[in-house]
Amino acid sequence: AQSVTQLGSHVSVSEGALVLLRCNYSSSVPPYLFWYVQYPNQGLQLLLKYTSAATLVKGINGFEAEFKKSETSFHLTKPSAHMSDAAEYFCAVSAHASGGSYIPTFGRGTSLIVHP
Amino acid sequence: GAVVSQHPSRVICKSGTSVKIECRSLDFQATTMFWYRQFPKQSLMLMATSNEGSKATYEQGVEKDKFLINHASLTLSTLTVTSAHPEDSSFYICSAIRNGRERDEQFFGPGTRLTVL
Repeated sequence: AQSVTQLGSHVSVSEGALVLLRCNYSSSVPPYLFWYVQYPNQGLQLLLKYTSAATLVKGINGFEAEFKKSETSFHLTKPSAHMSDAAEYFCAVSAHASGGSYIPTFGRGTSLIVHP
Repeated sequence: GAVVSQHPSRVICKSGTSVKIECRSLDFQATTMFWYRQFPKQSLMLMATSNEGSKATYEQGVEKDKFLINHASLTLSTLTVTSAHPEDSSFYICSAIRNGRERDEQFFGPGTRLTVL
């Protein structure tokens, strides 16, 4: 069984400020972890993913996330927010499966609001 | 990266009509595709797994007779919402699995906004 908890349905930051979106996961087996971004009326775009290699994962648009097994966390950060970062962010977890296939479980999403 | 398309991007229909949504993997073959439903300000809810050449696997609580899925080729899966009602209005997103040597990867379509009047 696997699940994801995203703390805070909304996060509001000023432009240029640090972005921190929290994600905690639960998985009975070593997980794969993902962050996706969704802009209004669009599908999901993969920001970054953790697949058991380096624990600090760098993604697109300046985002990065760190896998912390002891805290079962995979928080998403960006040093300096930009207006274009305003979107919905989803954390997802999947488990290893034979052959490498997976069906991810998504969190409820966090809406990032960026103020000028 | 791999590209997955959906058509149409938006559809408005009258209550009682049927609507077909297409999901295509444009530059890879996908034996497995997924259909999700997303309500406003909520997460994605997996509706069903579409398998090429076989019947779809539906998640608990999803009516298979209402949401017909056909995966007729390795690049196309269709979702037909039969006898649509206003409560079926939602954002439908598909994804396709690209098989890799080490692991599979999932790529999402841009979504289809269905509005039932």
